[in-house]
Amino acid sequence: AAGVIQSPRHLIKEKRETATLKCYPIPRHDTVYWYQQGPGQDPQFLISFYEKMQSDKGSIPDRFSAQQFSDYHSELNMSSLELGDSALYFCASSQAGRTDTQYFGPGTRLTVL
Amino acid sequence: QKEVEQNSGPLSVPEGAIASLNCTYSDRGSQSFFWYRQYSGKSPELIMFIYSNGDKEDGRFTAQLNKASQYVSLLIRDSQPSDSATYLCAVRRGGGSNYKLTFGKGTLLTVNP
Repeated sequence: AAGVIQSPRHLIKEKRETATLKCYPIPRHDTVYWYQQGPGQDPQFLISFYEKMQSDKGSIPDRFSAQQFSDYHSELNMSSLELGDSALYFCASSQAGRTDTQYFGPGTRLTVL
Repeated sequence: QKEVEQNSGPLSVPEGAIASLNCTYSDRGSQSFFWYRQYSGKSPELIMFIYSNGDKEDGRFTAQLNKASQYVSLLIRDSQPSDSATYLCAVRRGGGSNYKLTFGKGTLLTVNP
């Protein structure tokens, strides 16, 4: 079965640089979620989109922005990167109206030097 | 107090034994409950979800939910070394567009051959 696709899988950036993470949900899934997981931490919700509209917002810094496109893929844009932004970034997708169970992608490991 | 609390690990059981993982949550509005398994550096993998009070069984896994006590648990029967991972309890308030998952810090399970 098709899974959530994330790219890139690994990303190394310098402080103050920008990064763009991409997420391609499972086919027919219309909701995308972004989570950040720091070392030894549990995943923290950042933001979600349903039918291309922002549906919920968590602890996402103002330096980050995201959107969902017409083909349902989503991009997380991160600017003015800080050392503390180094983490695993997971995208999850679900199909609203069904169990709404979220399936996670493999993640993007971002390292900020 | 964290919204979702899990029994502090690590938990170590011998192969073939029953592993018991516990989780409590503080938001009485929580409607859906999930157990994810996460291997180090990998993404969370859905094990089970439960919405109603009582037990739900799937193979070697049984989830138990008691909304009155705000308690959810996961039992793993006939534990295998491949079950060694961090188990994340997640809750979702549901309703409207508020479908984000709130995770506990996880319990590290080690199954010894």
